[in-house]
Amino acid sequence: SQTIHQWPATLVQPVGSPLSLECTVEGTSNPNLYWYRQAAGRGLQLLFYSVGIGQISSEVPQNLSASRPQDRQFILSSKKLLLSDSGFYLCAWSRGMGMNTEAFFGQGTRLTVV
Amino acid sequence: QQPVQSPQAVILREGEDAVINCSSSKALYSVHWYRQKHGEAPVFLMILLKGGEQKGHDKISASFNEKKQQSSLYLTASQLSYSGTYFCGTEGRGSQGNLIFGKGTKLSVKP
Repeated sequence: SQTIHQWPATLVQPVGSPLSLECTVEGTSNPNLYWYRQAAGRGLQLLFYSVGIGQISSEVPQNLSASRPQDRQFILSSKKLLLSDSGFYLCAWSRGMGMNTEAFFGQGTRLTVV
Repeated sequence: QQPVQSPQAVILREGEDAVINCSSSKALYSVHWYRQKHGEAPVFLMILLKGGEQKGHDKISASFNEKKQQSSLYLTASQLSYSGTYFCGTEGRGSQGNLIFGKGTKLSVKP
């Protein structure tokens, strides 16, 4: 069966510090991978999605970046965090091209920038 | 563009019905519905791919009006377990793989 792992679960970081959130998927190959951010009152905001290794599409300009060094690994990074980067970050995966199958979400990382 | 959900919040008594609407300004390839409990990850409810399609399980169903670029989620005889925030997600035609969610509808079911 397929599982998605996301860590850490919570993180408190000072402004200006770097960030690295990791997400891995097991039990499937060539998944579509996604990073979402959830801030209060704004729903689930798509940040990045990837259909293959090294292929990253960015949806929102920001000081975040994403990388996919391996087929089932998706990393969200920042060189210098801002207060506005606080939020609940969710990684998700789906099968195939397009989202005509369900998305499976990780348990999320609650990031607080202080 | 982000789909628009309405209402933003709804409070029900157990056994009452509710409808949550989702509309888009773009032609849609698919509509997804998810439910999220507080502090947890969203959980998939259903996906609709064709205009006129209706789906459902248990007492939760949804419809997709492709021409109007709208979808509605119907919760019948609500149970306490239905409480949570409901999100619709849409894929625009020509941008499959780009799943954009609405801001969510917070549903509270009271005994």
